[in-house]
Amino acid sequence: GAGVSQTPSNKVTEKGKYVELRCDPISGHTALYWYRQSLGQGPEFLIYFQGTGAADDSGLPNDRFFAVRPEGSVSTLKIQRTERGDSAVYLCASSKTGADTEAFFGQGTRLTVV
Amino acid sequence: DQQVKQNSPSLSVQEGRISILNCDYTNSMFDYFLWYKKYPAEGPTFLISISSIKDKNEDGRFTVFLNKSAKHLSLHIVPSQPGDSAVYFCAASDHYNSGNTPLVFGKGTRLSVIA
Repeated sequence: GAGVSQTPSNKVTEKGKYVELRCDPISGHTALYWYRQSLGQGPEFLIYFQGTGAADDSGLPNDRFFAVRPEGSVSTLKIQRTERGDSAVYLCASSKTGADTEAFFGQGTRLTVV
Repeated sequence: DQQVKQNSPSLSVQEGRISILNCDYTNSMFDYFLWYKKYPAEGPTFLISISSIKDKNEDGRFTVFLNKSAKHLSLHIVPSQPGDSAVYFCAASDHYNSGNTPLVFGKGTRLSVIA
């Protein structure tokens, strides 16, 4: 596709459930980033992939959060045992080079944990 | 501890006038700065950037100024248009020193351009 695609655009889940959020980056972009944006805040870094490997996962808040990118293209962010505090917009971005200097963002997935 | 600060949550400007959005940073290792624009229900879109070797970068109606000694940058939009109404995020990275470091974002400033 022409841009970064994220699915679903909205997700409502019950506390304690497991969710997966998908990101389809721009074709040919080797770098992929996940950010989380809470209300009234700027995007906060979660994890960065260069190809298939996680080059930096220092932003993941705890071990309930995990992300994969098995073939170096599509990435999935996985959240176990969701909590109400996980409610936010999850943004994915991709870029050609290894640094997200001009990263292109998807429209985000709005996750609501009830 | 906020490394990138946008102290004005909102700004209103009349159409045709200049909009000035400000950003301060605390990490002296930051060497690359970007502005992103965000409309509701969309992801942020890249607007303009500047590296620390420059003090000004201009692209059409948008100019970014960098004052390294003050750890301050600003985005000027002139003339402002109603379509510029959006949330503007300042972002920074330690790009040239460390390579692949993630962007650190401010909280954003909501710009409203009034016709």
